Amino acid sequence: DTGVSQNPRHKITKRGQNVTFRCDPISEHNRLYWYRQTLGQGPEFLTYFQNEAQLEKSRLLSDRFSAERPKGSFSTLEIQRTEQGDSAMYLCASSLGWAGATDTQYFGPGTRLTVL
Amino acid sequence: DAKTTQPNSMESNEEEPVHLPCNHSTISGTDYIHWYRQLPSQGPEYVIHGLTSNVNNRMASLAIAEDRKSSTLILHRATLRDAAVYYCILGEYGNKLVFGAGTILRVKS
Repeated sequence: DTGVSQNPRHKITKRGQNVTFRCDPISEHNRLYWYRQTLGQGPEFLTYFQNEAQLEKSRLLSDRFSAERPKGSFSTLEIQRTEQGDSAMYLCASSLGWAGATDTQYFGPGTRLTVL
Repeated sequence: DAKTTQPNSMESNEEEPVHLPCNHSTISGTDYIHWYRQLPSQGPEYVIHGLTSNVNNRMASLAIAEDRKSSTLILHRATLRDAAVYYCILGEYGNKLVFGAGTILRVKS
C-alpha cells in the first residue's frame, strides 16, 4: 500500500497526559499537512511542512501542540497536557508540492483521539 | 480565506445523476475550485478541481459558471458508494485546504 499511513488509528488517554501521533506520507511527497476534525465539522488546518521546514501554523495550534518532520520524511504531532477539548480526529495529508504541478492532497485514515 | 456555501444535505436515487451546487461569490482570480469527499470513517478523498473551464475525470464532472461565482459537481450515476460528505473548497493550488461543513449526500437504493 503506497498511501498515507497514520499510527495509531485510535488513542485513548487521560486528561493531562502527552500523546504523539505519526504520519508516513506517500514516498517522494514534499509537502505534509496536519488537520483536525471534530464531529460534524470539516477538517481544520493545523500546520504544514515543505520537506523538513514547517511553513505555516494555524492559530488553532496552541503551545501545547508541536509538530516535526525530521529529514523531510515522516512527521509527528505531539499534544502535551491533553484536554478534553483535544478529542478529535487528527488527519495527515501529503502532496508533491511542486509549483505549477498537480498538487492534490492525499489524506490518511486519521488518528482518533479520545481524552477522558 | 475565501468562503463557499453549500446545501447541508442532498438526497439522490441510485443510478441517477447528482448535481451538487457550490456558491463562491468572493472567489479571486487565482483561486482554484477543489472538490473533496469524505466517506464514513475515512479521510477526505480528492474528487476534482478546476480554475475556469469545465473539467471531467473518471469520478465526476465540474461545471464552473462563466463568472466563476458558482460551480456544480456532477456525479453522472450515483451509487451507494458515493454516499459521503462533499466539500467545495477554494484556494491557491498547493496551499492548505479550508474546509466548510460540506454537503451530506445520501443515496437511496
